[in-house]
Amino acid sequence: IAGITQAPTSQILAAGRRMTLRCTQDMRHNAMYWYRQDLGLGLRLIHYSNTAGTTGKGEVPDGYSVSRANTDDFPLTLASAVPSQTSVYFCASSPASSPYNEQFFGPGTRLTVL
Amino acid sequence: AQKITQTQPGMFVQEKEAVTLDCTYDTSDQSYGLFWYKQPSSGEMIFLIYQGSYDEQNATEGRYSLNFQKARKSANLVISASQLGDSAMYFCAMRAWGGSQGNLIFGKGTKLSVKP
Repeated sequence: IAGITQAPTSQILAAGRRMTLRCTQDMRHNAMYWYRQDLGLGLRLIHYSNTAGTTGKGEVPDGYSVSRANTDDFPLTLASAVPSQTSVYFCASSPASSPYNEQFFGPGTRLTVL
Repeated sequence: AQKITQTQPGMFVQEKEAVTLDCTYDTSDQSYGLFWYKQPSSGEMIFLIYQGSYDEQNATEGRYSLNFQKARKSANLVISASQLGDSAMYFCAMRAWGGSQGNLIFGKGTKLSVKP
C-alpha cells in the first residue's frame, strides 16, 4: 500500500517560473490538504479539499492554487514562484473532514526558489 | 481563535526514562480532536495518537499516552521508556469544526533528544 505519494522529492526553481507539486493517494480518502513547513513556524495550511470537486483556502493561500478533479489527486500550483515560497511542502489526506479523523501525510517536497 | 501552544522548544531525556511533552489548546468548539505527530530527522510526519473531546479516558498507543485535561485545555504527550529512536520533533495538533473547518492546526513543535 503506497498511501500518499508526492512528486518531485525536491526541486530547485528559478523565481518567476511556474511549478506544480503532485500529490496522489490510494486510500480513497475524501479530504486532502496542502501544508508548508518553515523553520520556527511549524506547519501551516495552504489549501484544502473536503471532497472531489471542492477546494478551500487555508491560512497561507496567496501565490498558490489547487484543483481536485478526482478523489485521488490534489496538485498544488505555484503560478509564479518567489523566494519566500522556499519551503517543505506536505500533502495530507483524511477519510473525512471530521475532527475525529487523523490526517496521513506524504513524504514531502523540498522546494527551493532562487 | 483556535490555537495550539507548545512551550518547550527542546527537551532532553535519558534513555529508558519517561518524558512529558506539553501542549495546550484554545478553542470555543465543543467537538474537537487532538493529535500528536512525530517528525524524525528524515522528515516524514508520523501520526502517533489521537484524543477526542468527548473521550473520558486518556488515549494510549503502546509507549505513548495522552494526558487529557479538558478543563485546563491541555493534551500532554507522555512517552514511557524512551528509546534513542524517539529523538525527533513532536507536534501537537487540533481539529475542530469552528473557524478551521476541520483542518489541522499545529503547534510549533518540541524537539526531543534522547541521551544514551
